[in-house]
Amino acid sequence: SQQGEEDPQALSIQEGENATMNCSYKTSINNLQWYRQNSGRGLVHLILIRSNEREKHSGRLRVTLDTSKKSSSLLITASRAADTASYFCATNTGTASKLTFGTGTRLQVTL
Amino acid sequence: EAGVVQSPRYKIIEKKQPVAFWCNPISGHNTLYWYRQNLGQGPELLIRYENEEAVDDSQLPKDRFSAERLKGVDSTLKIQPAELGDSAVYLCASSLDNWTGGVRSAFFGQGTRLTVV
Repeated sequence: SQQGEEDPQALSIQEGENATMNCSYKTSINNLQWYRQNSGRGLVHLILIRSNEREKHSGRLRVTLDTSKKSSSLLITASRAADTASYFCATNTGTASKLTFGTGTRLQVTL
Repeated sequence: EAGVVQSPRYKIIEKKQPVAFWCNPISGHNTLYWYRQNLGQGPELLIRYENEEAVDDSQLPKDRFSAERLKGVDSTLKIQPAELGDSAVYLCASSLDNWTGGVRSAFFGQGTRLTVV
């Protein structure tokens, strides 16, 4: 079963524009993580935000977390063609290392 | 540092045949995951190990799937017999889980793309 749902399912933007993806989840979390997956490849960890954090930055990435709404957003600024990939949120829940992925957003960045 | 290594990368088998996937996690990582990813979907957890103990296998179809993690290092996932619906990418991941903030980030292998014909 999937814990999170990303929105939108697909997003197409031009290079230089910002891309925003949203993730909603159902249960309380320890932390929330975002991953990128290029076509035919494994997932790569991008950023982790703890449940007591509200915003986090890493390079061109900005993640926000609203635990009251059980939602998170990933903003990629000044997008590049190389950012074309699927992006997944993953929630860490419970007392152990359970990591559950959402359905993903497919981002297409065109020149 | 070597990443998570999976083999084979691709496998095509006929239905009802057995198949096995192998995963070598990052050295020192105590948590190992097997996920299945269908086309256009997110990864779905099949089984999670903490060291050699399977702590979450609720999503593993136990009538045909089995897994083991000997000595808390390498792991194998087996399907016997395979069905057409098992066609998917099988991903292995590992993480170091001794952090008070919850599980750290997981490192994924390239996956094994299984096609059952």
